[in-house]
Amino acid sequence: DIVMTQAPLSVSVTPGESASISCRSSKSLLHSNGITYVYWYLQKPGKSPQLLIYRMSNLASGVPDRFSGSGSETDFTLKISRVEAEDVGIYYCGQLLENPWTFGGGTKLELK
Amino acid sequence: QVKLQQSGAELVKPGASVKLSCKTSGYTFSTSYMSWFKQIPGQSIEWIGMIYAGDGGTGYNQKFKGKATLTVDTSSSTAYMDLSSLTTEDSAVYFCARDTMAYWGQGVMVTVSS
Repeated sequence: DIVMTQAPLSVSVTPGESASISCRSSKSLLHSNGITYVYWYLQKPGKSPQLLIYRMSNLASGVPDRFSGSGSETDFTLKISRVEAEDVGIYYCGQLLENPWTFGGGTKLELK
Repeated sequence: QVKLQQSGAELVKPGASVKLSCKTSGYTFSTSYMSWFKQIPGQSIEWIGMIYAGDGGTGYNQKFKGKATLTVDTSSSTAYMDLSSLTTEDSAVYFCARDTMAYWGQGVMVTVSS
């Protein structure tokens, strides 16, 4: 199985500042079709996960453009600019390249 | 708008089975995929498997083969997941999610206890 490793485990951010979360995969997530199958989700307390970024760098519908995704074949970054109170929760990266789909352990974002 | 409504919380005894439902609306069910996930509170997300509503074709995480069975009823736009031979390790929140998880159900807590 592809292992997804996130860092840090938690991050504390002052509202209005930026935050970055890293994710590393144990195998390249670049498909031969040129698409990199890494996704980012936010799970707010007591809620279902919500899709933020799909295929490494595409913003999901309705997601503020303060969120952005980037990376290479195995190293990925989610950046949140101008963090707001509504951004609090646990962020997960996931790979949808191979069965089984797998997810990182999560990064908890808190406000200072 | 797209909605995925899951059935209510379940309390079941060890060794029993449970069938969870995910009733959908707001999109064409029969041309979409539905995935199911397991999340033990405080832990990350595990993918159980997916089903194509058009023909019932399935793909499972090897870890959940024999534990989970995915089905659909296109007449009611509902997806189902049967969990069998339940143990305390199956106690978790289970989610359904459409396609590449742009839409999720609200989750259902399954508690396995005698």
